[in-house]
Amino acid sequence: DTEVTQTPKHLVMGMTNKKSLKCEQHMGHRAMYWYKQKAKKPPELMFVYSYEKLSINESVPSRFSPECPNSSLLNLHLHALQPEDSALYLCASSLRLAGVYEQYFGPGTRLTVT
Amino acid sequence: ELKVEQNPLFLSMQEGKNYTIYCNYSTTSDRLYWYRQDPGKSLESLFVLLSNGAVKQEGRLMASLDTKARLSTLHITAAVHDLSATYFCAVVPTGNQFYFGTGTSLTVIP
Repeated sequence: DTEVTQTPKHLVMGMTNKKSLKCEQHMGHRAMYWYKQKAKKPPELMFVYSYEKLSINESVPSRFSPECPNSSLLNLHLHALQPEDSALYLCASSLRLAGVYEQYFGPGTRLTVT
Repeated sequence: ELKVEQNPLFLSMQEGKNYTIYCNYSTTSDRLYWYRQDPGKSLESLFVLLSNGAVKQEGRLMASLDTKARLSTLHITAAVHDLSATYFCAVVPTGNQFYFGTGTSLTVIP
């Protein structure tokens, strides 16, 4: 199994809703990431979990709340989002081999905030 | 502030022609990654360059790395329509934090 899965593929939510994005990998990777990508822009790093601990938080607003329940699963809880949060949310995991990180991306969740 | 800049941002090229995309970065990194992204899709890993002078080739794409100049190039040979996509470089100066370049949107026209 060499893939990262994300659910849902698409999500439309109102500004008062609470929803969650889910990411799963069964490759034994111990680092997992959340990125936000706006159209025609590069992915922006949001969070990094290393060995199930939050290691990097790129000053992301508190309306985004990550959770790593176990080494295979990464969630992103969403609450009181703004329309400008509409974007493609990408999850990735990485493996370190001989000192080199190889990153694998999931297919993404297309989020629209109305 | 770390910067990873690509040049050009947009590239329209004819089938059969050659062209080079440049990736400049502002910090020390002895590893450089290239990714491809099709519209509405996720990122696909193309190359990992591990050291100064590294060169890798896959089909019509060839990537190289000059760590002293902090420059990587992605050379396209005899472009075909299937290569139309956005290409990103990325550096990992410390740990496992990836910094992506600005992206190059490539369109190959008949």
